[in-house]
Amino acid sequence: GQNIDQPTEMTATEGAIVQINCTYQTSGFNGLFWYQQHAGEAPTFLSYNVLDGLEEKGRFSSFLSRSKGYSYLLLKELQMKDSASYLCAVNSNSGNTPLVFGKGTRLSVIA
Amino acid sequence: GAVVSQHPSWVICKSGTSVKIECRSLDFQATTMFWYRQFPKQSLMLMATSNEGSKATYEQGVEKDKFLINHASLTLSTLTVTSAHPEDSSFYICSALDSNQPQHFGDGTRLSIL
Repeated sequence: GQNIDQPTEMTATEGAIVQINCTYQTSGFNGLFWYQQHAGEAPTFLSYNVLDGLEEKGRFSSFLSRSKGYSYLLLKELQMKDSASYLCAVNSNSGNTPLVFGKGTRLSVIA
Repeated sequence: GAVVSQHPSWVICKSGTSVKIECRSLDFQATTMFWYRQFPKQSLMLMATSNEGSKATYEQGVEKDKFLINHASLTLSTLTVTSAHPEDSSFYICSALDSNQPQHFGDGTRLSIL
Protein backbone atom coordinates (compact mmCIF):
# COMPACT_ATOMS: atom_id res chain seq x y z
CA GLY A 1 0.00 0.00 0.00
CA GLN A 2 0.86 3.65 0.05
CA ASN A 3 1.67 5.43 3.28
CA ILE A 4 3.09 8.86 3.98
CA ASP A 5 3.68 10.02 7.53
CA GLN A 6 4.35 13.50 8.78
CA PRO A 7 3.69 15.18 12.13
CA THR A 8 0.24 16.62 12.56
CA GLU A 9 1.22 19.91 14.16
CA MET A 10 4.31 21.93 14.95
CA THR A 11 4.94 25.28 16.58
CA ALA A 12 8.01 27.44 16.09
CA THR A 13 9.12 30.96 16.90
CA GLU A 14 9.45 33.81 14.44
CA GLY A 15 13.01 34.04 13.16
CA ALA A 16 13.84 30.45 14.08
CA ILE A 17 14.45 27.36 11.94
CA VAL A 18 12.02 24.46 11.74
CA GLN A 19 12.34 21.04 10.15
CA ILE A 20 9.27 19.12 9.03
CA ASN A 21 9.91 15.42 8.50
CA CYS A 22 8.19 13.04 6.12
CA THR A 23 8.57 9.29 5.79
CA TYR A 24 7.03 7.29 3.01
CA GLN A 25 6.34 3.73 1.95
CA THR A 26 5.03 3.58 -1.58
CA SER A 27 4.84 0.95 -4.30
CA GLY A 28 7.23 2.98 -6.43
CA PHE A 29 9.08 6.26 -6.34
CA ASN A 30 9.38 8.91 -8.99
CA GLY A 31 9.89 12.05 -6.94
CA LEU A 32 8.79 13.76 -3.74
CA PHE A 33 7.06 17.12 -3.52
CA TRP A 34 6.43 19.63 -0.78
CA TYR A 35 3.44 21.96 -1.00
CA GLN A 36 2.33 24.83 1.24
CA GLN A 37 -1.36 25.30 1.90
CA HIS A 38 -2.85 28.24 3.75
CA ALA A 39 -6.27 27.77 5.29
CA GLY A 40 -9.01 27.96 2.70
CA GLU A 41 -6.61 28.06 -0.20
CA ALA A 42 -5.24 25.54 -2.68
CA PRO A 43 -1.74 24.08 -2.25
CA THR A 44 1.19 25.88 -3.81
CA PHE A 45 4.32 24.11 -4.97
CA LEU A 46 7.45 24.55 -2.84
CA SER A 47 10.00 21.94 -3.85
CA TYR A 48 10.72 18.73 -5.71
CA ASN A 49 13.33 16.05 -4.98
CA VAL A 50 13.97 13.01 -7.11
CA LEU A 51 17.64 12.37 -6.26
CA ASP A 52 19.20 12.07 -2.81
CA GLY A 53 20.44 15.25 -1.27
CA LEU A 54 19.48 18.76 -0.40
CA GLU A 55 17.68 21.21 -2.67
CA GLU A 56 17.85 24.81 -1.52
CA LYS A 57 15.50 27.54 -2.62
CA GLY A 58 15.74 30.73 -0.64
CA ARG A 59 14.53 30.27 2.92
CA PHE A 60 13.21 26.79 2.10
CA SER A 61 15.27 23.65 1.61
CA SER A 62 14.20 20.07 1.06
CA PHE A 63 16.18 16.90 1.63
CA LEU A 64 15.65 13.39 0.34
CA SER A 65 17.04 9.98 1.24
CA ARG A 66 15.52 7.35 -1.01
CA SER A 67 17.15 4.44 0.81
CA LYS A 68 15.51 5.56 4.05
CA GLY A 69 12.22 6.63 2.53
CA TYR A 70 12.70 9.98 4.24
CA SER A 71 12.49 13.64 3.43
CA TYR A 72 12.42 16.87 5.34
CA LEU A 73 11.47 20.45 4.61
CA LEU A 74 13.61 23.05 6.32
CA LEU A 75 12.28 26.56 6.81
CA LYS A 76 14.74 29.24 7.91
CA GLU A 77 14.18 32.73 9.29
CA LEU A 78 10.57 31.92 10.00
CA GLN A 79 7.98 34.59 9.36
CA MET A 80 4.43 34.81 10.62
CA LYS A 81 3.18 34.28 7.07
CA ASP A 82 4.80 30.84 7.08
CA SER A 83 1.99 29.64 9.35
CA ALA A 84 0.29 27.09 7.08
CA SER A 85 -0.06 23.40 6.41
CA TYR A 86 2.85 21.70 4.67
CA LEU A 87 2.02 18.70 2.55
CA CYS A 88 4.46 15.98 1.63
CA ALA A 89 3.50 14.14 -1.57
CA VAL A 90 5.07 11.28 -3.49
CA ASN A 91 4.81 10.43 -7.16
CA SER A 92 4.76 6.66 -6.90
CA ASN A 93 4.79 5.98 -10.59
CA SER A 94 5.99 7.48 -13.82
CA GLY A 95 3.49 8.86 -16.25
CA ASN A 96 0.27 10.66 -15.51
CA THR A 97 -0.48 9.30 -12.07
CA PRO A 98 -1.78 11.29 -9.13
CA LEU A 99 0.43 12.21 -6.22
CA VAL A 100 0.01 10.41 -2.93
CA PHE A 101 -0.38 13.04 -0.22
CA GLY A 102 0.44 12.92 3.44
CA LYS A 103 -2.08 14.42 5.86
CA GLY A 104 -0.08 17.59 6.19
CA THR A 105 1.72 19.31 9.04
CA ARG A 106 0.09 22.42 10.47
CA LEU A 107 2.82 24.85 11.36
CA SER A 108 2.10 27.72 13.71
CA VAL A 109 4.68 30.49 13.87
CA ILE A 110 4.50 32.51 17.07
CA ALA A 111 6.10 35.79 18.04
CA GLY B 1 1.02 33.64 -12.52
CA ALA B 2 -1.63 30.95 -12.24
CA VAL B 3 -1.24 28.02 -14.59
CA VAL B 4 -4.51 26.34 -13.63
CA SER B 5 -7.75 28.26 -13.42
CA GLN B 6 -10.68 26.91 -11.43
CA HIS B 7 -14.15 28.42 -11.48
CA PRO B 8 -16.23 29.26 -9.53
CA SER B 9 -14.27 29.87 -6.38
CA TRP B 10 -17.30 29.80 -4.12
CA VAL B 11 -20.78 28.36 -4.50
CA ILE B 12 -23.72 28.42 -2.12
CA CYS B 13 -26.84 26.63 -3.26
CA LYS B 14 -29.89 24.74 -2.11
CA SER B 15 -29.99 21.01 -1.52
CA GLY B 16 -30.87 19.11 -4.69
CA THR B 17 -29.11 21.53 -7.01
CA SER B 18 -26.46 20.35 -9.44
CA VAL B 19 -23.23 22.33 -9.48
CA LYS B 20 -20.61 22.41 -12.21
CA ILE B 21 -16.98 23.28 -11.48
CA GLU B 22 -14.54 24.05 -14.29
CA CYS B 23 -10.81 23.45 -14.33
CA ARG B 24 -8.72 24.95 -17.11
CA SER B 25 -5.03 24.60 -17.81
CA LEU B 26 -3.54 27.87 -19.01
CA ASP B 27 -0.68 27.92 -21.51
CA PHE B 28 -0.27 24.16 -21.55
CA GLN B 29 -2.18 21.08 -22.58
CA ALA B 30 -3.16 18.68 -19.84
CA THR B 31 -4.09 15.20 -20.95
CA THR B 32 -4.66 14.35 -17.31
CA MET B 33 -6.34 16.34 -14.56
CA PHE B 34 -7.13 15.28 -11.03
CA TRP B 35 -10.04 16.18 -8.79
CA TYR B 36 -9.57 16.30 -5.04
CA ARG B 37 -11.87 17.00 -2.12
CA GLN B 38 -10.74 18.38 1.20
CA PHE B 39 -12.80 18.57 4.37
CA PRO B 40 -11.80 21.03 7.12
CA LYS B 41 -8.48 20.22 8.76
CA GLN B 42 -8.05 17.11 6.66
CA SER B 43 -5.74 16.25 3.82
CA LEU B 44 -6.49 16.22 0.13
CA MET B 45 -8.44 13.16 -0.93
CA LEU B 46 -8.23 12.14 -4.55
CA MET B 47 -11.68 11.67 -6.04
CA ALA B 48 -10.93 10.86 -9.65
CA THR B 49 -8.47 11.06 -12.50
CA SER B 50 -9.78 12.84 -15.56
CA ASN B 51 -8.36 11.76 -18.91
CA GLU B 52 -8.96 13.74 -22.07
CA GLY B 53 -11.13 11.86 -24.50
CA SER B 54 -11.88 8.92 -22.23
CA LYS B 55 -13.83 8.05 -19.12
CA ALA B 56 -12.60 9.26 -15.77
CA THR B 57 -11.14 6.84 -13.27
CA TYR B 58 -12.80 7.11 -9.89
CA GLU B 59 -11.30 6.26 -6.51
CA GLN B 60 -12.93 3.68 -4.35
CA GLY B 61 -15.97 5.04 -2.57
CA VAL B 62 -16.57 7.92 -4.99
CA GLU B 63 -19.86 7.61 -6.83
CA LYS B 64 -19.35 8.22 -10.53
CA ASP B 65 -23.03 8.98 -11.07
CA LYS B 66 -22.90 11.57 -8.32
CA PHE B 67 -19.71 13.26 -9.43
CA LEU B 68 -19.76 13.55 -13.21
CA ILE B 69 -16.46 14.34 -14.85
CA ASN B 70 -16.02 15.49 -18.42
CA HIS B 71 -12.62 16.13 -19.98
CA ALA B 72 -13.63 17.20 -23.44
CA SER B 73 -10.51 19.10 -24.41
CA LEU B 74 -6.84 19.25 -23.55
CA THR B 75 -7.38 22.37 -21.46
CA LEU B 76 -10.72 21.82 -19.74
CA SER B 77 -12.13 19.34 -17.28
CA THR B 78 -15.44 19.78 -15.49
CA LEU B 79 -16.79 18.22 -12.32
CA THR B 80 -20.55 18.25 -11.82
CA VAL B 81 -21.89 17.46 -8.39
CA THR B 82 -25.38 16.19 -9.13
CA SER B 83 -28.26 16.66 -6.73
CA ALA B 84 -25.94 18.06 -4.10
CA HIS B 85 -26.71 17.60 -0.43
CA PRO B 86 -25.23 19.21 2.70
CA GLU B 87 -22.77 16.33 3.15
CA ASP B 88 -21.26 17.27 -0.23
CA SER B 89 -20.20 20.62 1.18
CA SER B 90 -16.43 20.70 0.89
CA PHE B 91 -13.44 22.31 -0.76
CA TYR B 92 -12.96 20.88 -4.25
CA ILE B 93 -9.58 21.31 -5.92
CA CYS B 94 -8.41 20.33 -9.37
CA SER B 95 -4.89 19.88 -10.58
CA ALA B 96 -3.33 19.42 -13.98
CA LEU B 97 -0.18 17.73 -15.16
CA ASP B 98 2.27 19.46 -17.44
CA SER B 99 4.99 17.09 -18.58
CA ASN B 100 7.79 19.47 -17.67
CA GLN B 101 6.42 20.81 -14.39
CA PRO B 102 5.12 19.52 -11.09
CA GLN B 103 1.42 19.10 -10.60
CA HIS B 104 -0.29 22.51 -10.56
CA PHE B 105 -3.41 23.16 -8.52
CA GLY B 106 -6.36 25.38 -9.23
CA ASP B 107 -7.46 27.84 -6.54
CA GLY B 108 -10.20 25.51 -5.37
CA THR B 109 -13.98 25.79 -5.13
CA ARG B 110 -15.67 26.08 -1.78
CA LEU B 111 -19.07 24.42 -2.09
CA SER B 112 -21.71 25.02 0.55
CA ILE B 113 -25.03 23.22 0.27
CA LEU B 114 -27.84 24.57 2.41
